[in-house]
Amino acid sequence: QKEVEQDPGPLSVPEGAIVSLNCTYSNSAFQYFMWYRQYSRKGPELLMYTYSSGNKEDGRFTAQVDKSSKYISLFIRDSQPSDSATYLCAMTVQGAQKLVFGQGTRLTINP
Amino acid sequence: GAVVSQHPSRVICKSGTSVKIECRSLDFQATTMFWYRQFPKQSLMLMATSNEGSKATYEQGVEKDKFLINHASLTLSTLTVTSAHPEDSSFYICSARVLAGGIQFFGPGTRLTVL
Repeated sequence: QKEVEQDPGPLSVPEGAIVSLNCTYSNSAFQYFMWYRQYSRKGPELLMYTYSSGNKEDGRFTAQVDKSSKYISLFIRDSQPSDSATYLCAMTVQGAQKLVFGQGTRLTINP
Repeated sequence: GAVVSQHPSRVICKSGTSVKIECRSLDFQATTMFWYRQFPKQSLMLMATSNEGSKATYEQGVEKDKFLINHASLTLSTLTVTSAHPEDSSFYICSARVLAGGIQFFGPGTRLTVL
């Protein structure tokens, strides 16, 4: 079993829809949770960063962490074609050097 | 957010030559930088962790004599692919870690093609 599980998709939704992206994990020691967006042939771009449990909102993006269920989510409201990309979840333990990544979900927003 | 640059963005070389890729943190000091490799439609694969002023720590299966990493300053790390072969063709991405928490900021990547 992988330490972080993420459905690779692909996921295709119409413009304006609410998108829900999710990751599950097995290591209860994870404390820092990140979502990165990666466009084709580009490096990942940090979208959201959450410490421990709770919600965080930034514009059209909301990140949720449920440590009791070992489940994190990224919601995209009013999705746009420019949101079409691969979304990677990542997490780590305090003091650790490395990030543990999910496989990435390929998302397409159709005009 | 913090900005990380990579140079070159794309390189094509002949088999047997060496290629150097630079990674710079432009607006912050990074005590730790990371080098990743990414194959098409796959997630990032960590190759090595580089701490300023010390030897890099390589992941299992990564040849340290083939992928030379130097982290000479708090803003610059270099990856040299020595005696490159076609199987080394890939997308190489660096990242730099901010001191607080585990956040890593990534560079734009370098696409290496070995003929």
